[in-house]
Amino acid sequence: QVQLVESGGGVVQPGRSLRLSCAASGFTFSSYAMYWVRQAPGKGLEWVAIISSDGRSKYYADSVKGRFTISRDNSRNTLFLQMNSLRVEDTAVYYCTKDLTAWAFDRWGQGTLVTVSS
Amino acid sequence: QSALTQPPSASGSPGQSVTISCTGTSSDVGDYNYVSWYQQHPGRAPKLMIYEVSKRPSGVPDRFSGSKSGNTASLTVSGLQAEDEADYYCSSYGGSDNLVFGGGTTVTVL
Repeated sequence: QVQLVESGGGVVQPGRSLRLSCAASGFTFSSYAMYWVRQAPGKGLEWVAIISSDGRSKYYADSVKGRFTISRDNSRNTLFLQMNSLRVEDTAVYYCTKDLTAWAFDRWGQGTLVTVSS
Repeated sequence: QSALTQPPSASGSPGQSVTISCTGTSSDVGDYNYVSWYQQHPGRAPKLMIYEVSKRPSGVPDRFSGSKSGNTASLTVSGLQAEDEADYYCSSYGGSDNLVFGGGTTVTVL
């Protein structure tokens, strides 16, 4: 069955960097666009980034543009999110997701918590 | 891009229906049929309930239905059951490879 397993979260100081990973299994990873969505504690969902199936196209929410980079390794069925210049407001659970159709996320990981605090 | 507008809460008794609205603009909900709805129980990842305005993924009960009129999308849960008590989020494609979510609605089964 489809599984998405995020890792790499933790506590980091403002201005520092963190790299999240998402290991995918149970589907043809290289055939799907992949996404990151985050949820601040007690708050709603926020789309973060999308990467095309071949990794050539990448788009970001304005709130992370220029600081975050989404990438993928189709040979390892793994999605990444490199987060630089982290801010307190980036504190959230980060989910990786795949889509059923464009922009509709039918599979989610369990999430990984990123806490940005001094 | 601003978040879509949802009521903070909604409620109904078991067996009744509840409808949640999701209001956007002519640049997102009004312009695209890429409206989705997600259910999220506390401490769990969201679950896709409706996509492309009114389509149900496999395994989602037909008690859940979606619609859209103008800039407002709606999710209706008929025959409310205790397990429907959760947070619900709408989302819409907003053009220029951008997605916007609603603020979420907490549904309480009385």
